[in-house]
Amino acid sequence: DAKTTQPPSMDCAEGRAANLPCNHSTISGNEYVYWYRQIHSQGPQYIIHGLKNNETNEMASLIITEDRKSSTLILPHATLRDTAVYYCIVSTEEYSSASKIIFGSGTRLSIRP
Amino acid sequence: NAGVTQTPKFQVLKTGQSMTLQCAQDMNHEYMSWYRQDPGMGLRLIHYSVGAGITDQGEVPNGYNVSRSTTEDFPLRLLSAAPSQTSVYFCASRLGASSGANVLTFGAGSRLTVL
Repeated sequence: DAKTTQPPSMDCAEGRAANLPCNHSTISGNEYVYWYRQIHSQGPQYIIHGLKNNETNEMASLIITEDRKSSTLILPHATLRDTAVYYCIVSTEEYSSASKIIFGSGTRLSIRP
Repeated sequence: NAGVTQTPKFQVLKTGQSMTLQCAQDMNHEYMSWYRQDPGMGLRLIHYSVGAGITDQGEVPNGYNVSRSTTEDFPLRLLSAAPSQTSVYFCASRLGASSGANVLTFGAGSRLTVL
């Protein structure tokens, strides 16, 4: 089973911030939170990741709660091209057989004009 | 860099036929994996490998075999194709070592239809 829980769908107005939540209440101390997105039927693409601290890059911001049990991906100014399925996963960095990466069903984000 | 290359992009099989989906990466990634994605669904892990000679099962391994004889290649074999294996298959790889930036890189996908 996936280690994360996400709402199945969300929508957001173009130009507004899109805030996508993710629950990962069983996350371990050595697991990172990663976000990917999948546009149409293309292969998923990496967006951002973090361990404890909030992170920002040119695509998005990642806010992780202090207890690390949940996080929020923020797309600051959503455009129509951000319409996609967004996946939140947790993954250890350790090089072991426990490092399998499970995706859930993700959140289907629709951006309305 | 070519990244992760999957072949073929499209394939139609008859029930009972066997075939191999190829996956190759040129990034010296230790970790490689195969996912399947059914229409309107998320990705489900089939098999994965943490290095040459090492493979393990994912969520839905039945009906599929893998091997990892080199770091670069991770083929997925369908032993006796069934209509339930109609899906889009994605190969993905990542560094594998502790780096703090263990990003998965995906291939473009292989669309398989089993009649």
